[in-house]
Amino acid sequence: SQELEQSPQSLIVQEGKNLTINCTSSKTLYGLYWYKQKYGEGLIFLMMLQKGGEEKSHEKITAKLDEKKQQSSLHITASQPSHAGIYLCGADGTGNQFYFGTGTSLTVIP
Amino acid sequence: DGGITQSPKYLFRKEGQNVTLSCEQNLNHDAMYWYRQDPGQGLRLIYYSQIVNDFQKGDIAEGYSVSREKKESFPLTVTSAQKNPTAFYLCASSMFGQTPMDYTFGSGTRLTVV
Repeated sequence: SQELEQSPQSLIVQEGKNLTINCTSSKTLYGLYWYKQKYGEGLIFLMMLQKGGEEKSHEKITAKLDEKKQQSSLHITASQPSHAGIYLCGADGTGNQFYFGTGTSLTVIP
Repeated sequence: DGGITQSPKYLFRKEGQNVTLSCEQNLNHDAMYWYRQDPGQGLRLIYYSQIVNDFQKGDIAEGYSVSREKKESFPLTVTSAQKNPTAFYLCASSMFGQTPMDYTFGSGTRLTVV
C-alpha cells in the first residue's frame, strides 16, 4: 500500500513566521492533494498537484511537487492563527483507494 | 442544503459493546468512505462503498463492519473485536470517478471507550 510520511509531526510557530511541511511518498505520486483539518472536524481541500515540478499557490499557502514526484512541500508565508489545524497530504493508490499522510499539527501563537 | 451528516458528534462505549456510527448524505453521491484518525496521525481507510449493497475493505477493516442498504446511508459498526476503538471517525462521500479533491467530508464522530 502507499505510504505517505509527513514531517514534522507537529509544529508550533509564532504568528508572522514562515513554515514548511513535507510529505514523502514510498511510491511515485500521480496525484498529490493537500487538505486542512480543523481540530475535530472534517477536511477542507486546499490544492492538488500532478506534474513534477508543479507549484500552486492559494493566498499565503504554496505547495510544490518535486521533479521525481515522490515528495511534496507545503509552505505557509507569514503564518496567522487562522492557519492553525492539521495539514494532511493525500495520494491516489492502486485500485480505487486513496491514502492520507500521517498529518502535521500546526499551532500558531499570536 | 446538501451535505453529509455524521452522528453523534461524541460517543462513549463500554468495553465489549458494539456501537454504530451514522453517516448520511443527501448529495446523491455514489461512493462513501469511512476513515479513522488517531491523535497526531493521518486518516486510515476502514471501508468504502461505491454502490448500494456493495462495499470493500480498506487498510484497517478488522473489528469493523458496514452496510450500504441505501445510497444515502453508510453506517459503521465498531464491534467488540476492535481492540483499540477510541479514535476520531470521519465519513466522506463522492460521485463515482471523482477525484479526492471533490470528496465531501462529514464533521466526524469522536468515539471513546470507557
